[in-house]
Amino acid sequence: SQQGEEDPQALSIQEGENATMNCSYKTSINNLQWYRQNSGRGLVHLILIRSNEREKHSGRLRVTLDTSKKSSSLLITASRAADTASYFCATDDKGGSEKLVFGKGTKLTVNP
Amino acid sequence: GAGVSQSPRYKVAKRGQDVALRCDPISGHVSLFWYQQALGQGPEFLTYFQNEAQLDKSGLPSDRFFAERPEGSVSTLKIQRTQQEDSAVYLCASSPRRVGNQPQHFGDGTRLSIL
Repeated sequence: SQQGEEDPQALSIQEGENATMNCSYKTSINNLQWYRQNSGRGLVHLILIRSNEREKHSGRLRVTLDTSKKSSSLLITASRAADTASYFCATDDKGGSEKLVFGKGTKLTVNP
Repeated sequence: GAGVSQSPRYKVAKRGQDVALRCDPISGHVSLFWYQQALGQGPEFLTYFQNEAQLDKSGLPSDRFFAERPEGSVSTLKIQRTQQEDSAVYLCASSPRRVGNQPQHFGDGTRLSIL
């Protein structure tokens, strides 16, 4: 079953604008990851944030994590048409399995 | 190639047929995962291996689903007596196992359509 929800389900913006996607999860975690998926392709890892971190940056990406609210956000700044994709958050299984539990994703469209 | 390779990319089968999906992980990666992705949804975990050992198969939806990785590298996901609800994209991922969770590297998937 899915771990949680991404919000919004779909987001359409103009090139140059910022895009913010949110993710909520249900159980305790060791870390949370964000992945991108272009249409018809596999998932590409973007960034991993550990449970003891509150914020992490990678290029135009900024991720925050609030373990008290069991939520995370992904901010893409100065978006480009090439950022058009679906974005998923994924949490680990604190029970010891290496499996990832994914949300339903946010479909981002960046219009040129 | 350097990435995870899956074959075939597309598979069409009639209901009741058996199918086999193949995954070639990144060389040297210890862990290998299978996920099922329905249209418009996130991937859902099926099973995973460390080397040849299947450590978690809790996500396999029924006993019609079977996965193996006999030599600790290539893996095959087999679905017997396919049903229409098996139609989905099947994703394989691999990762080098180190302490703590690591990013997983995904293949482009096999899109399975059951008629």
